[in-house]
Amino acid sequence: DTEVTQTPKHLVMGMTNKKSLKCEQHMGHRAMYWYKQKAKKPPELMFVYSYEKLSINESVPSRFSPECPNSSLLNLHLHALQPEDSALYLCASSQLQGPQEAFFGQGTRLTVV
Amino acid sequence: GENVEQHPSTLSVQEGDSAVIKCTYSDSASNYFPWYKQELGKRPQLIIDIRSNVGEKKDQRIAVTLNKTAKHFSLHITETQPEDSAVYFCAVPLQFSGTYKYIFGTGTRLKVLA
Repeated sequence: DTEVTQTPKHLVMGMTNKKSLKCEQHMGHRAMYWYKQKAKKPPELMFVYSYEKLSINESVPSRFSPECPNSSLLNLHLHALQPEDSALYLCASSQLQGPQEAFFGQGTRLTVV
Repeated sequence: GENVEQHPSTLSVQEGDSAVIKCTYSDSASNYFPWYKQELGKRPQLIIDIRSNVGEKKDQRIAVTLNKTAKHFSLHITETQPEDSAVYFCAVPLQFSGTYKYIFGTGTRLKVLA
């Protein structure tokens, strides 16, 4: 199984809503990532988890809150987002003995209204 | 921090022609260089990668060359086909806090004209 699965595929939320994005992998990868991708731009790193601990936060606003409940799951909790946060949110995972290939999920397309 | 430049930003070629995309990086400690392809509305997927102990790697119509002295690596696609049309990103992993952060180039939109 070389899949990274993200849910939901699409999400529309109001600026006062709270929602969560979910990511799951069963490749035994101990590094997991959240990226944000705007149209016609490269993926931009937000967070990195290593052995379920947050190791990198790229100065992301606190309205984005990551969580890694176990080695297979990664969540991104969203609260009080702004319209400019609308983007494709990509989860990725890789082995830690690296660097190694990063496997991406298909993304969640988020629209904030 | 790591600076990753990618050129050109757009590239149009006739079907059957070759395409070359170049990526330049700044961190001399980097030792792994992947290329990702992203089709419209889809996830980035690795198409080829190279480690710093070799200068070239080929996989059918795709090759990557690395010049560590000059700090650049290039993606070569030969006999291009319409299905090669996509956005291509180079990436450079930067070691940080016991893990790696993958810094992506700005992307190249390749159009293969039938």
